[in-house]
Amino acid sequence: AQSVTQPDIHITVSEGASLELRCNYSYGATPYLFWYVQSPGQGLQLLLKYFSGDTLVQGIKGFEAEFKRSQSSFNLRKPSVHWSDAAEYFCAVVGEGDKLTFGTGTRLAVRP
Amino acid sequence: EPEVTQTPSHQVTQMGQEVILRCVPISNHLYFYWYRQILGQKVEFLVSFYNNEISEKSEIFDDQFSVERPDGSNFTLKIRSTKLEDSAMYFCASSDADTYSNQPQHFGDGTRLSIL
Repeated sequence: AQSVTQPDIHITVSEGASLELRCNYSYGATPYLFWYVQSPGQGLQLLLKYFSGDTLVQGIKGFEAEFKRSQSSFNLRKPSVHWSDAAEYFCAVVGEGDKLTFGTGTRLAVRP
Repeated sequence: EPEVTQTPSHQVTQMGQEVILRCVPISNHLYFYWYRQILGQKVEFLVSFYNNEISEKSEIFDDQFSVERPDGSNFTLKIRSTKLEDSAMYFCASSDADTYSNQPQHFGDGTRLSIL
């Protein structure tokens, strides 16, 4: 069965600084990978997805992620963080079965 | 942009009572899902539904849970006899194809269920 690990529970960055959120997955074949963002009291909004092709994918709000098969990783990046990016970020994978398997999430705080 | 809508936003129920959580998926979507998130924990898959039947369910989705698409627009999750441990945020999601078809799932804002 597939699984997702997000090693960082909580990250704080200064506004304008760059950001990288880590995600590692476990799945025997090529997975379908996603990043979702959850603002307080809100649902899950899709930031970006990887199915195949170019391993660097662009998403909404200036986010990008890179699929690295050799490292089983799908890290999320943003060159310059805005205060409105403070939220919880979830990496998810589809492997066996038509269902999303989520990581435990990384809570991002943005320092003014 | 079309949205998945969930009602109510917060439901408070006595233990042992039945509760129905309601979802209106995006109108042309055919695949429907329920997930839950216990406070402080990760989002967990409960059930997927397509063509008026359950496609897949997790071990969480026991006999106390059921899903239904009673008409052309609603998708409901029923918990027959609620337990304290059912307290969680419940998310509905929908998609116009299964996830292997390069289509993501779109989520609603969730219903916070509190069991007293």
